[in-house]
Amino acid sequence: DAKTTQPTSMDCAEGRAANLPCNHSTISGNEYVYWYRQIHSQGPQYIIHGLKNNETNEMASLIITEDRKSSTLILPHATLRDTAVYYCIVRDGGSQGNLIFGKGTKLSVKP
Amino acid sequence: GAVVSQHPSRVICKSGTSVKIECRSLDFQATTMFWYRQFPKQSLMLMATSNEGSKATYEQGVEKDKFLINHASLTLSTLTVTSAHPEDSSFYICSARTYLAGSTDTQYFGPGTRLTVL
Repeated sequence: DAKTTQPTSMDCAEGRAANLPCNHSTISGNEYVYWYRQIHSQGPQYIIHGLKNNETNEMASLIITEDRKSSTLILPHATLRDTAVYYCIVRDGGSQGNLIFGKGTKLSVKP
Repeated sequence: GAVVSQHPSRVICKSGTSVKIECRSLDFQATTMFWYRQFPKQSLMLMATSNEGSKATYEQGVEKDKFLINHASLTLSTLTVTSAHPEDSSFYICSARTYLAGSTDTQYFGPGTRLTVL
């Protein structure tokens, strides 16, 4: 599975959009981009995933560049409860691919 | 949405005893379940992958005789930490894989089990 690079930490003001970048320059054609987050002392929470088209759900939007070498997770209106570590993971879409977690981005939403 | 539960949420045991952790997929059937552990201030590390009715596949460096995994049904997997020692103290998290309609599969995670070995 391709590796990802994320900033170690980011701050965001409450009510503003949080834009979390992820680089995955070695991604291959059949690999999906998954985003999870982990609030302190809890299990990871699934947010969204995509292959090449932009995706949106009730939690967030995922913007994937045309060359698929990077993506951005957007939380449109961040709240204090969105403070967490956000993981961007690239995974093979087949049944053999596993989720391998990197260090993620620690997002701090401030009042 | 897909819900995964774990029991117990927290356990404290004496060194040398065995501890069993249960993982259940509550509203879906999971052919594949995963076990991770997480030490303080570190990321999750995959320990093993288990498929219903077959032996688990362990990641390099994980002792299969120490961490016994049973995946007897499509909704239940158990992890038994045998002869636990203080260095086994960690946050153990299970995950179950399912397919979303019209999309590829997705893993959902349990809330985790905090194991403390005295």
